[in-house]
Amino acid sequence: QKEVEQDPGPLSVPEGAIVSLNCTYSNSAFQYFMWYRQYSRKGPELLMYTYSSGNKEDGRFTAQVDKSSKYISLFIRDSQPSDSATYLCAMSAGGGNKLTFGTGTQLKVEL
Amino acid sequence: SAVISQKPSRDICQRGTSLTIQCQVDSQVTMMFWYRQQPGQSLTLIATANQGSEATYESGFVIDKFPISRPNLTFSTLTVSNMSPEDSSIYLCSGGGQGVYNEQFFGPGTRLTVL
Repeated sequence: QKEVEQDPGPLSVPEGAIVSLNCTYSNSAFQYFMWYRQYSRKGPELLMYTYSSGNKEDGRFTAQVDKSSKYISLFIRDSQPSDSATYLCAMSAGGGNKLTFGTGTQLKVEL
Repeated sequence: SAVISQKPSRDICQRGTSLTIQCQVDSQVTMMFWYRQQPGQSLTLIATANQGSEATYESGFVIDKFPISRPNLTFSTLTVSNMSPEDSSIYLCSGGGQGVYNEQFFGPGTRLTVL
C-alpha cells in the first residue's frame, strides 16, 4: 500500500464547475499538507499549504484536511480552462522531513 | 518563495554516456532535493543534496549512478551516469524545506531521453 493515494483521473469538468480533488494517506505522523499544480512540461508550482486539520481558503481554492480520516481535499470554485493541469498532493511530518507525493490528478476544464 | 532554474531543459543522450544537470536557486536555501518523475507516476525523491558533504540517497538510488554536488547554498548538480533507456525521465530539483510548512519550490525540470 502506498503512503499517499490519489486518483489519477483524468477528471473532465465544464467551465464554472466546482472541482473536488482528494488524497488519502496512511502515515499518521503527517502534519503538513500541500497541493501543487503542474502544467504540462513545467515543474510543480506550490498552490496551497495547511497544517494539521481544518480549512484554508485562498481565492477560488480551498484546502481541507481531516486527520481523523487521513483525508485531504482541494476544492476549486468557478473552475476555468486555465485550471487545466495535474494537481499533486504532498505531505510531511514537518521539521525538514522529506515530502511524500501523491501520483497527481489530471484535471481538464472545458469551455 | 524561491525561484529555481535548471539546465539543460531537455536532452537526448546515447546509452552509456553521462549527463550533468545544473540547478540554481535565486536565494539561499537550507535544503535542496533531486526528484525523478516518470510519465503517469508520482515524484520520486532521489536524494537530498547537502552543502559541503555527501548527498543523502533514498532507497534504490546510489551515488555511483547519481553523483550529486552542492558546493554552496544556491547551486547543485545531479549527474546521471552510464545511462540506459530506463533512465529516460524528467529530473526535477527543488529548494526550501526549512519553512514552517516544509514547503519546497521546484525548478522547471530536465526532460531526458536515452536512446
